[in-house]
Order: sequence, then C-alpha cells, then structure tokens
Amino acid sequence: EPEVTQTPSHQVTQMGQEVILRCVPISNHLYFYWYRQILGQKVEFLVSFYNNEISEKSEIFDDQFSVERPDGSNFTLKIRSTKLEDSAMYFCASSYRLAGAVKNIQYFGAGTRLSVL
Amino acid sequence: SQQGEEDPQALSIQEGENATMNCSYKTSINNLQWYRQNSGRGLVHLILIRSNEREKHSGRLRVTLDTSKKSSSLLITASRAADTASYFCATAPANAGGTSYGKLTFGQGTILTVHP
Repeated sequence: EPEVTQTPSHQVTQMGQEVILRCVPISNHLYFYWYRQILGQKVEFLVSFYNNEISEKSEIFDDQFSVERPDGSNFTLKIRSTKLEDSAMYFCASSYRLAGAVKNIQYFGAGTRLSVL
Repeated sequence: SQQGEEDPQALSIQEGENATMNCSYKTSINNLQWYRQNSGRGLVHLILIRSNEREKHSGRLRVTLDTSKKSSSLLITASRAADTASYFCATAPANAGGTSYGKLTFGQGTILTVHP
C-alpha cells in the first residue's frame, strides 16, 4: 500500500541551526501538508501546498519556516534558525483531492522527531 | 479558539467492551474525521463523515455527527487489545462556499487502553 515516508525519523540540532525535514508524499497526490505535535499537545496545522505554492499557512508558520517541492517526489520543510520551542514531532501528509464533494483524506507519514538543544 | 475537543482524555476498558469517544468543535465544518495514532507513530485515517451525514459505519467503527450541537462520537465495538492507541477527531473547516480549505484541525485526543 502506498505510504508517505519521512526522513530522518529523529533529528537533533543545536539552537540557531537550520534543519530540513524531508517527505516523500504518495505519488499521485497533489496536495501536501506539514503539521507538528509538541509533546503532549494537539497536532497543529502548519502549511498546505498545492501546485508549487502555499495554499494556506498558520500563525506558527512564520518567516523562519519554508516549504519546497524541489523535484517531482520530495516535499521539504526548512526551519532556518531553530529555537528550543521548535522541538516537536513534525508530520507530513498528502491527499489526492482537496475538498468539496470529494473526500479530504490526508495520509500521514510516521513523523520526524526534532530535538533542538 | 479550541476546535475538536475530545472527551474523555483517557479511557480504559476490557477487551470485548465498547469504547465511546466524543468530540466537540466550534466552527462550521465541511467534514469531520477520526484518526488513530499508535505510540510514536503517524496518524492513520479511520473514517470521515460529511457535514450532511448523521451516522456512518466502517467495520467495528460507528461515527455520529450532530451539527446542531457541533459534536461527534466514535464508537468502537467489541474492542481488542490492538485497538490501544490515541484517537483524534479532526475537522475540515467550511469556507463561505461550503467547501473545505483542506487544513485539518485536530483535537487533544483520547488515549484508549484496552486490557486483554
């Protein structure tokens, strides 16, 4: 069964460093998302991406964050200068259709645990 | 605002019993979905119910939606130890046209423990 894959599974970085989290969405999916989950808290939406541009972003997704689809298969989340509070599990998701009458089922990867020291 | 609040926060039952989890939300939705998360793993989609539906079944899962009360419930019948996981409701908001932007808003989740 097709799945969303994320690498690495765990990333440890020093505060102020740049990190890139990588995702390979399901191959025929058109919509891509990043969410994060701080330990013990809710899963929070960060950004959605379609047709090579951001569709929607949350207040969390400030100038320190960026997303890119550098080729036909990868979808990346970059944090330019990490802060302690960026420590969380980051989930990538993809879906075939966005919404409306069609199902908006998002398929999630296993996540990357980011630890900022 | 808080969207997709589940209760109870934790539920402990014996194998074979039914488990019911509730979710409340605040804004207009296009659909509501339930996801499951095993410890340290990603989210797995369980079931979706649209805003114009009241009840939906999938195997041992039954979901209800009451848009007037802005609430939903997930019932797992004849639970198994393998059902032990966290369960989240997630809402897809409706825009003025009634379609969804795609963003999902998750609740805090219910931790379900099923004892063999």
